[in-house]
Amino acid sequence: AQKVTQAQTEISVVEKEDVTLDCVYETRDTTYYLFWYKQPPSGELVFLIRRNSFDEQNEISGRYSWNFQKSTSSFNFTITASQVVDSAVYFCALSSGAGSYQLTFGKGTKLSVIP
Amino acid sequence: ETGVTQTPRHLVMGMTNKKSLKCEQHLGHNAMYWYKQSAKKPLELMFVYNFKEQTENNSVPSRFSPECPNSSHLFLHLHTLQPEDSALYLCASSGGVSSRYEQYFGPGTRLTVT
Repeated sequence: AQKVTQAQTEISVVEKEDVTLDCVYETRDTTYYLFWYKQPPSGELVFLIRRNSFDEQNEISGRYSWNFQKSTSSFNFTITASQVVDSAVYFCALSSGAGSYQLTFGKGTKLSVIP
Repeated sequence: ETGVTQTPRHLVMGMTNKKSLKCEQHLGHNAMYWYKQSAKKPLELMFVYNFKEQTENNSVPSRFSPECPNSSHLFLHLHTLQPEDSALYLCASSGGVSSRYEQYFGPGTRLTVT
């Protein structure tokens, strides 16, 4: 069985603050993929990143960075110098097992960035 | 048009109506998906199509009937729905049916069943 836990239901930060969204996953497979998606109020899920289980390098893309730690089964997402446009619901997802395509989503974290 | 489009964006229907949701992807992908997003519940995968063939039906009630005439179009036919079916229905596509490919989502159809 696979599971994704996003313990933070809602977070509010003031603009320009840094914020980290937590994601903890469970799987028995050694091959798996982790994803982050952003869902703004418009409803569309926007793909942010995919990580496979064999690549533990952290990644930075502009103000976004991701910290993948297999030892703690976590794939956390940090936004640096947050902006109002970052306000959205962020979902972490897991696809487990070679050849699998089914995404197991967490319940999401609603981020509100206050001007 | 680019990406994944869905129509209509909003739909209100009675329990005895029949309606259809449409999804179109302009990404040249081979796989398409229907998801249901209810309030306070994780996204639920409903159906998966790969090269027009259905590969997954996650125990979805028969009042939801998918149709995939080609790799670019996906429909969800609705009939005799229940109020608990009110949700955001999201369509997605990917290059293939594998997690090597990220899924790209449309904006969704907000469905309200009265």
